Parts: sequence; C-alpha cells; structure tokens
Amino acid sequence: AQKVTQAQTEISVVEKEDVTLDCVYETRDTTYYLFWYKQPPSGELVFLIRRNSFDEQNEISGRYSWNFQKSTSSFNFTITASQVVDSAVYFCVIKAAGNKLTFGGGTRVLVKP
Amino acid sequence: EAGVAQSPRYKIIEKRQSVAFWCNPISGHATLYWYQQILGQGPKLLIQFQNNGVVDDSQLPKDRFSAERLKGVDSTLKIQPAKLEDSAVYLCASSLVRRESSYNSPLHFGNGTRLTVT
Repeated sequence: AQKVTQAQTEISVVEKEDVTLDCVYETRDTTYYLFWYKQPPSGELVFLIRRNSFDEQNEISGRYSWNFQKSTSSFNFTITASQVVDSAVYFCVIKAAGNKLTFGGGTRVLVKP
Repeated sequence: EAGVAQSPRYKIIEKRQSVAFWCNPISGHATLYWYQQILGQGPKLLIQFQNNGVVDDSQLPKDRFSAERLKGVDSTLKIQPAKLEDSAVYLCASSLVRRESSYNSPLHFGNGTRLTVT
C-alpha cells in the first residue's frame, strides 16, 4: 500500500514570495510516478507535474520547480514568485502498481496581495 | 479536447434516500475512476474501471455504493441508501492508460458532484 504525507496543512504568503510544499511518500514498489495536482476554489483537480521513480533530476517548469530525493522519499514542490491565482489546495500524489493514485491530505496555499 | 463531464453539479438529499451520479470521460480514455473527497481531505479512490471491467473496488462500501460502466464509456455511481457521512464531493477521472505498466498518464478530473446528505 502507498501513503503520502503532507505535513503542512496551510501556508500563507505575500504575493511574489516563494513557497515550498513538502511531500513524503511510502511505497514498496520500485516503479512509481509522483505527481502534484492543484485544486483551486472552483474544485477541479488540475495536473501540474510528474516525475518517475527512476529519474531524480530536478527540473523547473515556468514558476514551478520540484526536488525529488529518493533516498528520503521526498518530492517537494516550489512555486516561485507566487501570485494570487496560485491560491489553492495542492496535493502530492503517488501512482504505483495498478495505476491507483494515492493522494496526500493536501496543503492549502493562500497568497495575499 | 473536451474534458471529463459530470452531472449533476450539486445534489442535496435526505438520509436513506438514493442518489446517482453520472460521468462521461474524455473520448478514448480506457481507465475511469470514481473518487470521494470529504471536506478538508484528499480524494479517496472508490472504484477503478479498465474499459468496462472493475480493476479495484476495495474501498467501495458495497453495501450501499454501486458503480457501473456498461459500454466502457460513461459511468454511473449510485448510493442507496445515503448516510450523513456520505456528504462529500464525488470526482470522476479518466486516463489514457491501456497497459498495466503505463503509470505515467496523468488523470484528468471532472468538476465533481457535491453531495449534501441531511
């Protein structure tokens, strides 16, 4: 069974600050994918990024970047120069055998103008 | 491309009543999921279909919940009878996965149906 822990329940920042969301996962599978999803107040879940278990190269995509460390089972996500539209709940997700997604509890990000 | 369609958007029922939700996945997506999201929590998988077959329904409360995907396209989720604790958002998602080993396809979610049981 998989498990995802997001220790931060809520983060509040002022616009243009960077915000980093922590994620720790557990799985016995050697092959898995990690995702970050965003859920704005409207409710839909929006796919942001993914990373497979064999590639620990960290990347930047626009204002998003992530830090995947297999040794510590962490998959942290950073929003650079936050904007008010970034206010949402962010979910860290693991997808392993059987294509089943397991979500973390979510971190609510509030970006104040 | 059109997204995952769900209806209704909102539903309010009394406990012990029945309710059904409908989902139309993205065209060509073989895998369909139903998730339950209780307020303040992450979504929890209820059932996963691959075409019209059930892949995983281990967390579906089968005494009151049922789901079907008869033609491998649309799906319905039913609750009968509803309990107060069923109040949640029910999310449908689909993905393009065709093979068991293809983990990398992201799920595309609908807007969900918000159920309130009074």
